[in-house]
Amino acid sequence: DAKTTQPPSMDCAEGRAANLPCNHSTISGNEYVYWYRQIHSQGPQYIIHGLKNNETNEMASLIITEDRKSSTLILPHATLRDTAVYYCIVRVDRTSYDKVIFGPGTSLSVIP
Amino acid sequence: GAVVSQHPSRVICKSGTSVKIECRSLDFQATTMFWYRQFPKQSLMLMATSNEGSKATYEQGVEKDKFLINHASLTLSTLTVTSAHPEDSSFYICSARDSGVAGYTFGSGTRLTVV
Repeated sequence: DAKTTQPPSMDCAEGRAANLPCNHSTISGNEYVYWYRQIHSQGPQYIIHGLKNNETNEMASLIITEDRKSSTLILPHATLRDTAVYYCIVRVDRTSYDKVIFGPGTSLSVIP
Repeated sequence: GAVVSQHPSRVICKSGTSVKIECRSLDFQATTMFWYRQFPKQSLMLMATSNEGSKATYEQGVEKDKFLINHASLTLSTLTVTSAHPEDSSFYICSARDSGVAGYTFGSGTRLTVV
């Protein structure tokens, strides 16, 4: 699996957009970008994933650069409940049997 | 969506005893499950891959005789921490491969404290 680089921590004001960056410069053509988050003392939760097009769901938006070497997860209106560690992971899609390997992630603190 | 149930959520045991943690896929069959360990303020570390009906595959540095994994059915994998010591105190998380968009669903974790 390609490695990813994320800032260790970020703050965001409640109600504002939280933009979490991720670098994955060695991503392969068949690898997707996945985002998970882990709220304290819980299991990781899937957020969103994409290959090369921007994606949006009820939780977040994912912006992937044209060269696919980096991406940004956007939480449009952050709430206190969005405080968590966010993990950016690159891997082949769900049809493969590859393992999910977690990096250090970004600890997001949403501030009132 | 797919649900993975992990039990117990918290357990305290005495040093030298063994503890079993269960991971169940509630509404789907999981031929492959994964076990992770997470120490405070650290990321999840993959311990082993559990395959139904066959021996688990352990990551480098994980003692297979200490962390016994059994995946006897398509909905249940168990992790037994044998002869537990205080340094085994950690948050243990399982995940199961499913047919959803993410491909994997995670359990809610088990907090093990060895005293």
